[in-house]
Amino acid sequence: DVKVTQSSRYLVKRTGEKVFLECVQDMDHENMFWYRQDPGLGLRLIYFSYDVKMKEKGDIPEGYSVSREKKERFSLILESASTNQTSMYLCASTPRLVPGGELFFGEGSRLTVL
Amino acid sequence: GDSVTQMEGPVTLSEEAFLTINCTYTATGYPSLFWYVQYPGEGLQLLLKATKADDKGSNKGFEATYRKETTSFHLEKGSVQVSDSAVYFCALKGSSNTGKLIFGQGTTLQVKP
Repeated sequence: DVKVTQSSRYLVKRTGEKVFLECVQDMDHENMFWYRQDPGLGLRLIYFSYDVKMKEKGDIPEGYSVSREKKERFSLILESASTNQTSMYLCASTPRLVPGGELFFGEGSRLTVL
Repeated sequence: GDSVTQMEGPVTLSEEAFLTINCTYTATGYPSLFWYVQYPGEGLQLLLKATKADDKGSNKGFEATYRKETTSFHLEKGSVQVSDSAVYFCALKGSSNTGKLIFGQGTTLQVKP
C-alpha cells in the first residue's frame, strides 16, 4: 500500500513563527502536492512538485514556500505564520504516469496559529 | 478555469435511507472524475472514479455515473449506514499533465441510527 506520512498531526504556533510541515511518501512517486482544507472551501492547492527541486505554484501560494530536495520528501514552509493560516494541511502524491490520476493522501496536519 | 460544485451540506439521514450528493463540473476537454471520502480524524481516501463519459464508478455500495451531457457526477447509495458518516469530496483531474486535482467544497453526511 502507498503510504504518505505527515510528520505532525497537530501543531500550535505563534504569529510570526517559521513553521515546517513535512511529508514523506514511500512509493517513489514523482508528483507531490500540498493542499489546504477549510470548511466550506474544500481543498485548495498551495504548491506542487513534479520532480526533485522542481516546484509550481498552485491556487493559493501566498505566504507559503516549499522544498523538495529528495524525491520522497516534500516540505511546506510558512515563513512567518499568521492567524489566517490556521487550517488543515494535506499532503498527497501520485505517479507521473497513471491512468485515471488518483492522488494518495496523508492524514493531515492541523495547524493552529495563535 | 476548471471547477467543481457540490451540494451544500450538512446532509442528515436516517440509517437505510437513500443518499444522493450532487456534483457538477466545468472543464475543457475530457476530465477524469473522482469521489473522495474523509472519515473523522483521517485524511482523504479514494471512494470511486470514472475516467470517461458514461463510465460508472462503484465501491462499498456507492455509485456515480459520469454524465457529460449534464456535466455531472452525482454520488448515490441505496441504503446508508452510520459508518458512512463522513465528508465527501467531488474532484476532477483536467487535461493538464501535472496530476493535480480540483476539489469541490465537500459535503458532510451524518447518518443517525
